[in-house]
Amino acid sequence: DAGVIQSPRHEVTEMGQEVTLRCKPISGHDYLFWYRQTMMRGLELLIYFNNNVPIDDSGMPEDRFSAKMPNASFSTLKIQPSEPRDSAVYFCASSAGTGLYEQYFGPGTRLTVT
Amino acid sequence: ELKVEQNPLFLSMQEGKNYTIYCNYSTTSDRLYWYRQDPGKSLESLFVLLSNGAVKQEGRLMASLDTKARLSTLHITAAVHDLSATYFCAVGTSGTYKYIFGTGTRLKVLA
Repeated sequence: DAGVIQSPRHEVTEMGQEVTLRCKPISGHDYLFWYRQTMMRGLELLIYFNNNVPIDDSGMPEDRFSAKMPNASFSTLKIQPSEPRDSAVYFCASSAGTGLYEQYFGPGTRLTVT
Repeated sequence: ELKVEQNPLFLSMQEGKNYTIYCNYSTTSDRLYWYRQDPGKSLESLFVLLSNGAVKQEGRLMASLDTKARLSTLHITAAVHDLSATYFCAVGTSGTYKYIFGTGTRLKVLA
């Protein structure tokens, strides 16, 4: 299996622009998680889905952030409008949701907002 | 609300030495995970601990879980440079599939 796939790997954008991050989970995994990592706040869970349905979005920082999962193999995290404080590494992870409930992480997207 | 604390935050140690990283959490949980992150890379799963008294070992790393004390440890034996990385513990929240991550311990092994 290819593992969790994220794109783009790096994104540089100007303040006010819309940013869309993409994630393909491991095939057969029915849980998908979006995290943000910064030096100041560490690793924060933003939102997670089960069977394409958002279960907990309490970590989404504000209305500028939205996430969707239109099917089992694709999810997006959108920031509109972007701000410099959104600069971070965004990770997607997926889990089979059974057994060990282990989460497998993608390579991350490094977002820089200038 | 579940809180997870790791200590130390930074650890610089000589090759060949032993040390322990601690992970404390505030509420009941039955799942604890250890991950490794190299600079600029993703998180790699190291250990999954699911029950009180669980102990897992891989090479120079050994993880244990005491659910009564709400404490997990990651013990490093005879450290080598290749172990330099940031280590995170993550605690599963009861009744959900969420993890709460600790602050991470940045380990640097000096030759």
